[in-house]
Amino acid sequence: AQSVTQLGSHVSVSEGALVLLRCNYSSSVPPYLFWYVQYPNQGLQLLLKYTTGATLVKGINGFEAEFKKSETSFHLTKPSAHMSDAAEYFCDVSLGDMRFGAGTRLTVKP
Amino acid sequence: EAQVTQNPRYLITVTGKKLTVTCSQNMNHEYMSWYRQDPGLGLRQIYYSMNVEVTDKGDVPEGYKVSRKEKRNFPLILESPSPNQTSLYFCASRGGSERREQYFGPGTRLTVT
Repeated sequence: AQSVTQLGSHVSVSEGALVLLRCNYSSSVPPYLFWYVQYPNQGLQLLLKYTTGATLVKGINGFEAEFKKSETSFHLTKPSAHMSDAAEYFCDVSLGDMRFGAGTRLTVKP
Repeated sequence: EAQVTQNPRYLITVTGKKLTVTCSQNMNHEYMSWYRQDPGLGLRQIYYSMNVEVTDKGDVPEGYKVSRKEKRNFPLILESPSPNQTSLYFCASRGGSERREQYFGPGTRLTVT
């Protein structure tokens, strides 16, 4: 079974700064990849996903992620953080079964 | 509106008192799943169901039961809850293909004393 590693359980950035949340997976076969966001006291909602095709995927709220097969990574980025981006972010890897990373809590400082 | 509903949203109970958390989806999804979320551990899958009458264990099934008698419903049963089952629980569903994203319910916060 594949495993998912989200490096950094807590990331803090200033408003307007680049957001980079890391996700690496272990699988010899490219899986389907998802990023979900969880706002306080809410369930998870889809940010973006990669299944096939273009490796740079754009999602909601200005986020994007790039699938890099050689690095087995699917890092999430946003050029300019906004206060409303403060939330917990989960990487999900799907190939036969589904595995979530442990999550990264993003704090945005004014 | 496409949605996954869970009830109750909050529950405080005592050790050993059987409880059921209901989950229902209105999207005709084949796949449904239960997760628990604990600080530092992310989401861990408890049970999942590929379709009616088909269920299987996830990573942390001990102490839980599920059933899938109808496509839309997937209740989670704790026959004898213990304090280590205090957690935030999410139900999710998706279409049949693993290429598709999951839709999550709003969560059930369970406290077992």
